[in-house]
Formats: sequence, structure tokens, C-alpha cells
Amino acid sequence: DIQMTQSPSSLSASVGDRVTITCRASQSISNYLNWYQQKPGKAPKLLIYAASSLQSGVPSRFSGSGSGTDFTLTITSLQPEDFATYYCQQSYNTPWTFGQGTKVEIK
Amino acid sequence: QVQLLESGPGLVKPSETLSLTCTVSGGSISGYSWSWIRQPPGKGLEWIGYVYYSGNTNHNPSLTSRATISVDTSKNQFSLRLSSVTAADTAVYYCARVGSRSSLWPLDYWGQGTLVTVSS
Repeated sequence: DIQMTQSPSSLSASVGDRVTITCRASQSISNYLNWYQQKPGKAPKLLIYAASSLQSGVPSRFSGSGSGTDFTLTITSLQPEDFATYYCQQSYNTPWTFGQGTKVEIK
Repeated sequence: QVQLLESGPGLVKPSETLSLTCTVSGGSISGYSWSWIRQPPGKGLEWIGYVYYSGNTNHNPSLTSRATISVDTSKNQFSLRLSSVTAADTAVYYCARVGSRSSLWPLDYWGQGTLVTVSS
């Protein structure tokens, strides 16, 4: 199985901050990398697919980059509604696997 | 707008079979793959498997063949059966649509999730 490792596991940030979350795959996954946002008690929501494509309806402050084994999710100016847990997921090989999550909390 | 809704028992006894159904509305089940994902309380996400609308399936080997995913195109539904459940199978179960090949198969639409507790 391909292991997905996110860092950090949690972070504290203020409204307006630039936030960066990284995701590393245990082997090359080309750009088969997706990012999701999950709020407490809610289903995950797709933010970024194919490493850098913004899902329809997602604010442009979210962006993704990377290829191969190293990927990044960036939020350019953190908004109150962005406090949530973020997961990366690879769709390169089955079984599809997720990172352990990064919880973004209010400082 | 595609919508998915999970349904099924919220409580299952150990050693029995968990059965869930996902009903798709706002779009046809044809042309896509459909997936199940679960999340134990307070933990991360685990992919269970997917079914193509034609019936072809792919399951996570970690479930040691206990999982069966099927599709009923006439009802616009797909289902999950998980046999021989234990307390470790207690989780929120989500159904989701697998996006197109051109988008590299993200999980683009999700149901709200349903909590299944395994307990006697």
C-alpha cells in the first residue's frame, strides 16, 4: 500500500495567515493527489484534485502543488470558515489511501 | 446537483453482517464508479472499495474479503455488506462518487455519513 504522511498533524493560526500543509507519498504517485476539508460532524469536501486543480465552487485562496512524492496545500489568507481538518488522498493505486489529517485550529 | 444518502441500521451485533445502501439523486449512477469510505470515531479516513456502474468492483484487501459492494442501476443505488463485524468496525460510513478518469478519480460528491455501532 502507498503510505501518505501529512505534516504537521495540527497547527494553530490566525485569521489572515498563510497556511501550508504538506503531504508525502511513500512512492511516486505522479499527480494523483486530492485534498479534502472536513468540519466536525460533516462529510469531507473535495477542495483540490489532480494535485493542483481547484474543485468548482472552492475559493481561490486554496491552492495545491506538487508531483511525484511531495505535495502542498496552501491557504493564502485563512478565513474563520477554514478552521477544519484537511486530508490528502492518493488515487494512483488501489487501495486508495489517505493521510492522517492536519487539524487547523484558531490561535 | 448530485446528492447521496446512506441508509441502514445504526446498530449491528458482533459477528453479524453490516448492510448499508447509498441512494443517488440528481444524476444517474451510470458512467461512474461509486465508493464507500469509513471513519472510526475520532480517527482518520479508510477507503473500503468502489463499484463501477457495470458491476466491476475493487475492494481494500485490509478488510480480508469481508466487504462486498454492489450496484442496482434500476434503483440508482449501490450497497455495502461487511460480514463478521467486530467493535473495530464501528465507524461513520460514507458513500461517495468517484470523479472522472480525466480528473484522476477524486471523490467529488459525498453522502452525509451514517454512524454504525457494533455492539451486543
